[in-house]
Amino acid sequence: GAVVSQHPSWVICKSGTSVKIECRSLDFQATTMFWYRQFPKQSLMLMATSNEGSKATYEQGVEKDKFLINHASLTLSTLTVTSAHPEDSSFYICSARLAGDDTQYFGPGTRLTVL
Amino acid sequence: QKEVEQNSGPLSVPEGAIASLNCTYSDRVSQSFFWYRQYSGKSPELIMSIYSNGDKEDGRFTAQLNKASQYVSLLIRDSQPSDSATYLCAVYAGGTSYGKLTFGQGTILTVHP
Repeated sequence: GAVVSQHPSWVICKSGTSVKIECRSLDFQATTMFWYRQFPKQSLMLMATSNEGSKATYEQGVEKDKFLINHASLTLSTLTVTSAHPEDSSFYICSARLAGDDTQYFGPGTRLTVL
Repeated sequence: QKEVEQNSGPLSVPEGAIASLNCTYSDRVSQSFFWYRQYSGKSPELIMSIYSNGDKEDGRFTAQLNKASQYVSLLIRDSQPSDSATYLCAVYAGGTSYGKLTFGQGTILTVHP
């Protein structure tokens, strides 16, 4: 149980384009989903917390107009990187949390490369 | 000051030995504690969670929690080369943190044959 999927697993795009990443909880309803970014050899960095049906809460320094998060259902959250630039190239990972459970279950991640 | 600190690595142990990973946290009201394993290029996977003082065992893994000392550890018995990874300690403080986990910087473990 507690399986989280992400799609796509990797994406290459041109600078200036937008990229959408999906995060799904496959066998449970996730009241809260989280989006992280991880650069090579660095720690996980939380970007935003997303609750179903409400606006995401962004961490300090994360541009909410650049990283659009939508959590329209209890099993799906999306992260859209708008007008991507090479410095946005990173490993994006989502996690999901069940109601009443403090555990976060991570998706497999999406590797974004912006040319 | 970092909120969650892990023992600096990298840690190298021979196959079959016990690997000991340590973590301290600063928020005294923290209530839930997790160990994740992250292989290079992959996302974190949950190894164990612990909520009460004492030991919790799961196969070759034992988590230990001491809330008075604000300390949580992970012991890996009979270490295998496949245990080589980065181990992340994560803490949930509860309250208004909205489910956010605070992660340590990770300890790189290498198990050599």
